[in-house]
Amino acid sequence: NAGVTQTPKFQVLKTGQSMTLQCAQDMNHNSMYWYRQDPGMGLRLIYYSASEGTTDKGEVPNGYNVSRLNKREFSLRLESAAPSQTSVYFCASLSGTGRTGELFFGEGSRLTVL
Amino acid sequence: GEDVEQSLFLSVREGDSSVINCTYTDSSSTYLYWYKQEPGAGLQLLTYIFSNMDMKQDQRLTVLLNKKDKHLSLRIADTQTGDSAIYFCAEDTGGFKTIFGAGTRLFVKA
Repeated sequence: NAGVTQTPKFQVLKTGQSMTLQCAQDMNHNSMYWYRQDPGMGLRLIYYSASEGTTDKGEVPNGYNVSRLNKREFSLRLESAAPSQTSVYFCASLSGTGRTGELFFGEGSRLTVL
Repeated sequence: GEDVEQSLFLSVREGDSSVINCTYTDSSSTYLYWYKQEPGAGLQLLTYIFSNMDMKQDQRLTVLLNKKDKHLSLRIADTQTGDSAIYFCAEDTGGFKTIFGAGTRLFVKA
């Protein structure tokens, strides 16, 4: 089982460039999430999608957009990258059909913005 | 608002017990979790406790919950070098959101 797959694993951007992080899960989960991880700050929620066709802002949505392409895929886009967006990004999906449960994480995408 | 706090570092000797502490703010949390992150990897669920429980034991892991003080702890008995990782406390606010602490980096000295 692949679980949650993120691409790319590493990316270096220049300030102002755009890019999309891709995420796919093969566990038939309804809800998917994008988090960023920064030293000393833990994981902060950027956006989430409770179900196919819906997206909602999390704690730190500014500078990002998301697309829930279908039940499997949830992408995160940086339209104009800034150095403050240098971070490790994690995609996750939520087990079960309710509003709580175990989160399954991808291996992360390490982004550096110069 | 919702917040989860935990200390950033813990160092123990191999064979000793490790205790990682966490405080949270949302008294309506249904579940409280401990996730483990090994180097270069994503987080994996280690254990969890339902909010109406005081304690949960799972092999070398013991989770204690003090609802009055909103305090959660994870005890790892007979800590091994393979337990070196970052441990995240998290609370489930029930609205499709899980709130994570900053993570405690556990160092295990041989």
